[in-house]
Amino acid sequence: ETGVTQTPRHLVMGMTNKKSLKCEQHLGHNAMYWYKQSAKKPLELMFVYNFKEQTENNSVPSRFSPECPNSSHLFLHLHTLQPEDSALYLCASSLSAGGVFMDGYTFGSGTRLTVV
Amino acid sequence: RKEVEQDPGPFNVPEGATVAFNCTYSNSASQSFFWYRQDCRKEPKLLMSVYSSGNEDGRFTAQLNRASQYISLLIRDSKLSDSATYLCVVNLNNAGNMLTFGGGTRLMVKP
Repeated sequence: ETGVTQTPRHLVMGMTNKKSLKCEQHLGHNAMYWYKQSAKKPLELMFVYNFKEQTENNSVPSRFSPECPNSSHLFLHLHTLQPEDSALYLCASSLSAGGVFMDGYTFGSGTRLTVV
Repeated sequence: RKEVEQDPGPFNVPEGATVAFNCTYSNSASQSFFWYRQDCRKEPKLLMSVYSSGNEDGRFTAQLNRASQYISLLIRDSKLSDSATYLCVVNLNNAGNMLTFGGGTRLMVKP
């Protein structure tokens, strides 16, 4: 049990569908992240939330819409996706860094998304 | 130059061997560094942080070379269960809590 729970584990959706990914952390962290991992590519940062405020949007297309209602929950709302958006979507959490960041992230198990 | 660069491998080694990976990073002012392990179709898991003086955790040793801007991971007495992808991770711009991941080095330990 990683302490960061993501649902669903697998998702197949059509290009016209709307779906949401959910992430919940039980670690008392105050920062949460969405990453995308495509085949044979490094993890790509999508969004960062610190104390439920979005502090980073890494030029992500608007068909991906994050929501962070509190420090423990993070959502990624998906609509009109493209086949190239098929990937593993990973949620992570950490403490926010007050100085040098030495704690690293804890990741959830990810949602494997296939867009058809 | 990539921000965090790793040799993708794969490194194929026999059980019991010692293997080392290097990772270079672009910003000389970076302050925090990590090694993560990722098994096939699983999430990355923190293996160890990398401290300035180097640190060891059992069979694993991490080193930082600031002058040449690289970190290394040494695995002694390799086990079959060490087979995984090892991700080099850097807080590149000391921008709070944002980490940049390398592409990973794949290790395969054979009987």
